[in-house]
Amino acid sequence: AQSVAQPEDQVNVAEGNPLTVKCTYSVSGNPYLFWYVQYPNRGLQFLLKYITGDNLVKGSYGFEAEFNKSQTSFHLKKPSALVSDSALYFCAVRDLLNRDDKIIFGKGTRLHILP
Amino acid sequence: DSGVTQTPKHLITATGQRVTLRCSPRSGDLSVYWYQQSLDQGLQFLIQYYNGEERAKGNILERFSAQQFPDLHSELNLSSLELGDSALYFCASSLNGGYTDTQYFGPGTRLTVL
Repeated sequence: AQSVAQPEDQVNVAEGNPLTVKCTYSVSGNPYLFWYVQYPNRGLQFLLKYITGDNLVKGSYGFEAEFNKSQTSFHLKKPSALVSDSALYFCAVRDLLNRDDKIIFGKGTRLHILP
Repeated sequence: DSGVTQTPKHLITATGQRVTLRCSPRSGDLSVYWYQQSLDQGLQFLIQYYNGEERAKGNILERFSAQQFPDLHSELNLSSLELGDSALYFCASSLNGGYTDTQYFGPGTRLTVL
């Protein structure tokens, strides 16, 4: 069965520093991977997705994520953090091989950008 | 703003009651998804509809049911409510309900069961 893990409940980064939010996954076949962000009292907003192709995916608000098949990871990154990036970030995965499987979301990582 | 609307924003009710949550998808989207977000369970997929028909089922309780109407809006019905049903309920929509579709989420309905 597929699974996704976000090993950090919270990440603190100083404004202007690079940020990384970690995500690892487990699937039987090839993964479809997604990152979503949730601001307070709002729904989830799509940031980016990896389906196939270039391992570096660029998304909204200056975010990017790198697909690493050997490490089964899909970490979210941004070169220079903004205070407005503070939010809850979710990684999600679907399994290409098992199409009956549903999208699975990680528990979320709360990102705090310190001014 | 994702274009997905959900009503009501907040709902407070008592155990044993029944409530209906409503969702209108983005213009042009044919598929609707329902999720439950709680502190202990995280974000859980409940059910998906495509063009009026059920397409996929997740961790949806038998006390819960949903449907998608001909105008593509969807309703999630929660009955015999328990304290543990208190959560944020999100609706999402996508263009074709396809496997790689991006889902666009509504703002959610916060349900409090007292």
